[in-house]
Amino acid sequence: EDQVTQSPEALRLQEGESSSLNCSYTVSGLRGLFWYRQDPGKGPEFLFTLYSAGEEKEKERLKATLTKKESFLHITAPKPEDSATYLCAVQASSGGSNYKLTFGKGTLLTVNP
Amino acid sequence: DGGITQSPKYLFRKEGQNVTLSCEQNLNHDAMYWYRQDPGQGLRLIYYSQIVNDFQKGDIAEGYSVSREKKESFPLTVTSAQKNPTAFYLCASSRAKDSPLHFGNGTRLTVT
Repeated sequence: EDQVTQSPEALRLQEGESSSLNCSYTVSGLRGLFWYRQDPGKGPEFLFTLYSAGEEKEKERLKATLTKKESFLHITAPKPEDSATYLCAVQASSGGSNYKLTFGKGTLLTVNP
Repeated sequence: DGGITQSPKYLFRKEGQNVTLSCEQNLNHDAMYWYRQDPGQGLRLIYYSQIVNDFQKGDIAEGYSVSREKKESFPLTVTSAQKNPTAFYLCASSRAKDSPLHFGNGTRLTVT
């Protein structure tokens, strides 16, 4: 069974204090790993897709990296508007349903001014 | 702008009543999905549809039903058989099976 574990569950940072969120996964053949951002009361918003170990993607203050066992979402000099829940999801390349994503429980990030 | 519209944003029902949640997309995506989100849990897949007039059960389909009569629409019915229906329901679509999901802004259902 595919599993995704995100840590920490919650993270408080001061504005400008860089840090990383972790997404550990076990999957029978990784097709893709996805990062989403979710604001309170809203649907998740797509950030990145990573396909193979060593791949990196960047967007503004965010950088996502991927190894064979985990992914990191690095946040450089965060601002209060980066406060949100960050979700990680994996898609397996094997099995009957290539549409199924397995989601982690998310990391709630709070950035204080 | 293209996107996914879920309605209503909040829905209140009495126990024993069926209720239908609306989901419409104008992204021209073939695949559509319904997820349920509960506090402290990851998103769980209820149903998905790859093409019009076809849909498959996800991990937690019991007590739910769907239809896909039009490409743009994928309504979800929460039946009285669903034992714990109070939750935040998210509809999503994707261009292809390994493409990112685009989500609506959800419907929060409360059953008392």
